Amino acid sequence: DAGVTQSPTHLIKTRGQQVTLRCSPKSGHDTVSWYQQALGQGPQFIFQYYEEEERQRGNFPDRFSGHQFPNYSSELNVNALLLGDSALYLCASSLRSLGGYGYTFGSGTRLTVV
Amino acid sequence: GESVGLHLPTLSVQEGDNSIINCAYSNSASDYFIWYKQESGKGPQFIIDIRSNMDKRQGQRVTVLLNKTVKHLSLQIAATQPGDSAVYFCAENQGDDKIIFGKGTRLHILP
Repeated sequence: DAGVTQSPTHLIKTRGQQVTLRCSPKSGHDTVSWYQQALGQGPQFIFQYYEEEERQRGNFPDRFSGHQFPNYSSELNVNALLLGDSALYLCASSLRSLGGYGYTFGSGTRLTVV
Repeated sequence: GESVGLHLPTLSVQEGDNSIINCAYSNSASDYFIWYKQESGKGPQFIIDIRSNMDKRQGQRVTVLLNKTVKHLSLQIAATQPGDSAVYFCAENQGDDKIIFGKGTRLHILP
């Protein structure tokens, strides 16, 4: 049973560029949430997608945007990259009707902005 | 702002001893807490959860205690093993699967 898969695992981008990260949820899950984890910190909630719409958003600028596809997979886009965007980006999936049970994280994409 | 936080950034424990990791929260209306373990290069892994209608919950070698009076929860790991080395986060599910994490405690196992 495949869990949450994220791609790529590592990425290096230049300041000002744009990046797209991808996430495939665990089989049977319909909700995808994205988190940013800076070095030495806890994950910070970016936003969540359900039924192809953004449902909740954390305190992140509009440079961070996303999308959810009919097959429940999701993308995170970051425009005009800053050095401070360097972090581990985590995707988590869940089945909304379970009220939080079974919430599963992927291993993340390590983004380095130079 | 952050609603959950851990007391200590690092904890060192002798192998075989019990580990206790503490966490405080600020919102008295919070009702669902989760402990996660994060190993190097991996995403957070669910350990155990507890809802506010409970004071204690036990799993395999782990126990979570919730004290609503002082807004404090703890994770106890029995007979700590080398494989328990990781960063531990307490987190709150604020509803609709929005999880808010604290800063984490790194657990070191001493031989």
